[in-house]
Amino acid sequence: TQLLEQSPQFLSIQEGENLTVYCNSSSVFSSLQWYRQEPGEGPVLLVTVVTGGEVKKLKRLTFQFGDARKDSSLHITAAQPGDTGLYLCAGVRNTGNQFYFGTGTSLTVIP
Amino acid sequence: KAGVTQTPRYLIKTRGQQVTLSCSPISGHRSVSWYQQTPGQGLQFLFEYFSETQRNKGNFPGRFSGRQFSNSRSEMNVSTLELGDSALYLCASSLDVSSYNEQFFGPGTRLTVL
Repeated sequence: TQLLEQSPQFLSIQEGENLTVYCNSSSVFSSLQWYRQEPGEGPVLLVTVVTGGEVKKLKRLTFQFGDARKDSSLHITAAQPGDTGLYLCAGVRNTGNQFYFGTGTSLTVIP
Repeated sequence: KAGVTQTPRYLIKTRGQQVTLSCSPISGHRSVSWYQQTPGQGLQFLFEYFSETQRNKGNFPGRFSGRQFSNSRSEMNVSTLELGDSALYLCASSLDVSSYNEQFFGPGTRLTVL
């Protein structure tokens, strides 16, 4: 079993719709990061959240770190085709410096 | 500033062979991490090197090994290849591995084992 479970695994929506991706764990993390990966490329960091309850906004993307630092969510408003990609959460546990990646959410935004 | 480069980009091998993949981190970055990405298992951590020393290791068999050179370039080696080793191998560099440092990923090496 993966330390970080993401849901949904696949998401296909129309341009202009809103969506939320979840990243959940039973472990506590000192920080969580969200990445987007496009085909043929490595993941690119979108944001890092480090404080429980923290909310960060990046244009149409809103990231939240759970109060207990065990979960995180990514909300996209008015999705665009350019948002298409694989979204990955990754966390560093309190006990070490290793990054654990989530199972991934594949998003397709249809024009 | 040049990004993380990985060579080769694509590789086809047969079972039983061995393979060496190379990663050049961003200039000034001393930490290099390796990951295996497959559709079924997602991104799995292989190992992390800092200043030529392996600091962290994931749960992979001993057939997977790596090293880091004094210029921070890193190589990983997989011996006695198995069909299940087919994957995208990603290298990531950072100033140091901590909760707050961004990892920069290379484009990956796509390994196919026949």
